[in-house]
Amino acid sequence: AQSVTQPDIHITVSEGASLELRCNYSYGATPYLFWYVQSPGQGLQLLLKYFSGDTLVQGIKGFEAEFKRSQSSFNLRKPSVHWSDAAEYFCAVGALGAQKLVFGQGTRLTINP
Amino acid sequence: NAGVTQTPKFQVLKTGQSMTLQCAQDMNHEYMSWYRQDPGMGLRLIHYSVGAGITDQGEVPNGYNVSRSTTEDFPLRLLSAAPSQTSVYFCASSSQGLYGYTFGSGTRLTVV
Repeated sequence: AQSVTQPDIHITVSEGASLELRCNYSYGATPYLFWYVQSPGQGLQLLLKYFSGDTLVQGIKGFEAEFKRSQSSFNLRKPSVHWSDAAEYFCAVGALGAQKLVFGQGTRLTINP
Repeated sequence: NAGVTQTPKFQVLKTGQSMTLQCAQDMNHEYMSWYRQDPGMGLRLIHYSVGAGITDQGEVPNGYNVSRSTTEDFPLRLLSAAPSQTSVYFCASSSQGLYGYTFGSGTRLTVV
């Protein structure tokens, strides 16, 4: 069965600092991987996705993620965070041909001014 | 373009009551899903549908029913509400599930 682990429940970084959010997945075949962001009181918005090809994928809002098969990881990064990036971030995995996603527990990001 | 619309936004139920959470999308998406979000547990799939007339269970289907009579609508029914169903419920849709889902803004349900 698929599973996703986000080891960090809460991360605090200073505005302008770099960011990396960790995501580890478990799935027997080639995974389809996603990062979503949720602002307070809002639904989820897709940041980026990986299906195949280049293991470094670019998303919206200046985010990128790198797929590392050997480590079963799909970490999200941003070179310089802005106060508006404060939100909760969810990693998700979908199986080939599946119509459903399995989500991690989420990482809450706080930005210090 | 409204996207995915969920109603109501907030609801308080008494234990044992039934109700239907509404979800509608205007993007002609084939795939639709219902998730519940609880603190520290991420989002868990309740039911999903890959087209009109086709539904299937997710991780946590007990206590919930769905139907998909049209492409646009995917209502979620709580048969007999329990306090354990207190949660935030999200509906999502996609033209092809693997290309990312569009989420509604959620329904916050409290069962007392």
